[in-house]
Amino acid sequence: DAGVIQSPRHEVTEMGQEVTLRCKPISGHDYLFWYRQTMMRGLELLIYFNNNVPIDDSGMPEDRFSAKMPNASFSTLKIQPSEPRDSAVYFCASSRGGNYEQFFGPGTRLTVL
Amino acid sequence: GQQLNQSPQSMFIQEGEDVSMNCTSSSIFNTWLWYKQDPGEGPVLLIALYKAGELTSNGRLTAQFGITRKDSFLNISASIPSDVGIYFCGQAGTALIFGKGTTLSVSS
Repeated sequence: DAGVIQSPRHEVTEMGQEVTLRCKPISGHDYLFWYRQTMMRGLELLIYFNNNVPIDDSGMPEDRFSAKMPNASFSTLKIQPSEPRDSAVYFCASSRGGNYEQFFGPGTRLTVL
Repeated sequence: GQQLNQSPQSMFIQEGEDVSMNCTSSSIFNTWLWYKQDPGEGPVLLIALYKAGELTSNGRLTAQFGITRKDSFLNISASIPSDVGIYFCGQAGTALIFGKGTTLSVSS
């Protein structure tokens, strides 16, 4: 079975550019999570969806960040405009409702120059 | 906000040694989770604990949910090189709160 799929795996961009990260959750999972990992702050939850509806976006750092889930098999995290401090590894994870085991994707390493 | 304090931050051990790491919380939660992250990958769940005092094993790994419900530890016995990685504790509601991780290095 395919796990959580994220693309791209690596992204290098210049400050001010728009960045879009993509995630395909495991089929049948109804929760989808976006995390950011940095050395300084560790793993932080940005936003999560239940049945495609955003439930908690309190972790989204600022208005430059937005996330969508147009259907059960696809989600995007967009940063516009990007800044060097956004450089991090961004993880998507999914789970089946009521099950605490979240399955993580391989992550997207973002570098903003 | 809720915080998880995980220690030690890093460990350098010889193959065959036992390892112990722990996590403390400022709040009481009902679930403790231990994840491992291999280099270049996402975290993978190792052990889940749902009851105060619970002791659970998964192969060479053993984890316990503290009686106060504010702490947990993870032990790895007879470490091997593939144990290398970052170990995270986490507390769960619908979303996870993670500790900063313990980076384990194993030399053979």
